[in-house]
Amino acid sequence: DIQMTQSPSTLSASVGDRVTITCRASQRLSGWLAWYQQKPGKAPKLLIHKVSTLQSGVPSRFIGSGSETEFTLTINGLQPDDFATYYCQQYNGHWTFGQGTKVET
Amino acid sequence: QVQLQESGPGLVKPSQTLSLTCAVSAASISSGNYYWSWIRQFPGKDLEWVGYIHHSGKTYYNPSLKSRITVSVDTSENHFSLKLSSVTAADTAVYYCARVAPVPGAPNGALDYWGHGILVTVSS
Repeated sequence: DIQMTQSPSTLSASVGDRVTITCRASQRLSGWLAWYQQKPGKAPKLLIHKVSTLQSGVPSRFIGSGSETEFTLTINGLQPDDFATYYCQQYNGHWTFGQGTKVET
Repeated sequence: QVQLQESGPGLVKPSQTLSLTCAVSAASISSGNYYWSWIRQFPGKDLEWVGYIHHSGKTYYNPSLKSRITVSVDTSENHFSLKLSSVTAADTAVYYCARVAPVPGAPNGALDYWGHGILVTVSS
C-alpha cells in the first residue's frame, strides 16, 4: 500500500496567516491526490482533487500543488472558518489517507 | 444536493456482525459511473477505507478486511449496505458512507459527498 505522511500534525496560526501543509507519498501518485477538511463531529469535506482542482464552492484561498510524491495544501489568508483538521488522500489504487493536520489558533 | 445517511446499531458485541445501511437521496445509485463507499475513522482520528461498490455489483474491499466484509447494493431501495463479521474492539469507529466521484484516467476517485457518520462501538 502507498503510505501517506503529513506534516506537521498540529499547526498554530492566526487569522490572516498563510498556512502550508505537506503530504508525502511513498510512491509516485500520477496526480491522484485529494485534500479534505474536517471539523469536530462532522464528516470530511472534499476541498481539492487531482492535486490542484478546487471542488465546486470551495474558496480560492485554498491552493493545492505538488507532483510525484510531494504535495502541498496552502491556505492564503486563514479565515476563522478554516480552523479544522486537514487530510490528504491518494487514489492511485487502494485509498490511503494522511494522519491529518490540525490547524488551531 | 446528494445526501447520504447511515443507519444501524451503535453497539455491537464482540464476535458478532456489524450491519450498516446507507440511504442515498437526490441521486440514483444506478445512474452514472459512481462508486459508493464505506470509510471508517478510528477514535484516534485515522481514516481507513473499508470497501466500495458499483451499481453493477462490482466490489472492492480493503485487503485487511476482505475475509470479513460484504458490501451490497439495493438499487430498488436506492441504498447500499456494509456487513463486517467477527468484530472486535479494534473495529470501533465512526463509519461513513460516501460517493466516489469518477476521475477520467484514475483508478478510482475522490469522495465528494459524505454521510454524517455513525459511531459503532464494539463492546460486550
